[in-house]
Amino acid sequence: EDKVVQSPLSLVVHEGDTVTLNCSYEVTNFRSLLWYKQEKKAPTFLFMLTSSGIEKKSGRLSSILDKKELFSILNITATQTGDSAVYLCAVGETSGSRLTFGEGTQLTVNP
Amino acid sequence: NAGVTQTPKFRILKIGQSMTLQCTQDMNHNYMYWYRQDPGMGLKLIYYSVGAGITDKGEVPNGYNVSRSTTEDFPLRLELAAPSQTSVYFCASRFTSGIDTQYFGPGTRLTVL
Repeated sequence: EDKVVQSPLSLVVHEGDTVTLNCSYEVTNFRSLLWYKQEKKAPTFLFMLTSSGIEKKSGRLSSILDKKELFSILNITATQTGDSAVYLCAVGETSGSRLTFGEGTQLTVNP
Repeated sequence: NAGVTQTPKFRILKIGQSMTLQCTQDMNHNYMYWYRQDPGMGLKLIYYSVGAGITDKGEVPNGYNVSRSTTEDFPLRLELAAPSQTSVYFCASRFTSGIDTQYFGPGTRLTVL
């Protein structure tokens, strides 16, 4: 059975701090790893990482994929209160039809 | 483009009642999904569909049914509601191939009392 594990489950930081969120996976036929941000409503897409794109960056957010060690990290630098959200990691298989989601990391950024 | 829309936004059901959660997308996506999200948890796949007339079970299908008669619509039916079905339900869709990114609707918050 496919498995995605995120850590930590929750994290409280102060504005300006840098945070690293972790996602490890066990998937039979890995194809992609996705990061979503969820702010008390629907998840919104952040990044997708694949064998051909193991590092992504957008503003203060960046993510890398280590296919050998089967994990990914999401880095947020200079955090802001607007970064407070649940961050979800999901993994897709080569069959291409489904994603398996982790439990999420609840990030709280205090002013 | 409205994207993925869901109705209703909120609903309270009594134990044993039935209801249908509606999901529509206008992006011509072939793949559609239903997830539930319990408090403090990730998303669990209930059912999914890779095209009109084709549906398949996910991780937690018991107590639910789906149908897919058109590309745009993917309703989720709850029969004999139980308190364990209290959750937030999200519908999602995506393109057929190459891109795994799923786009989510706003969700339906369901309470069964």
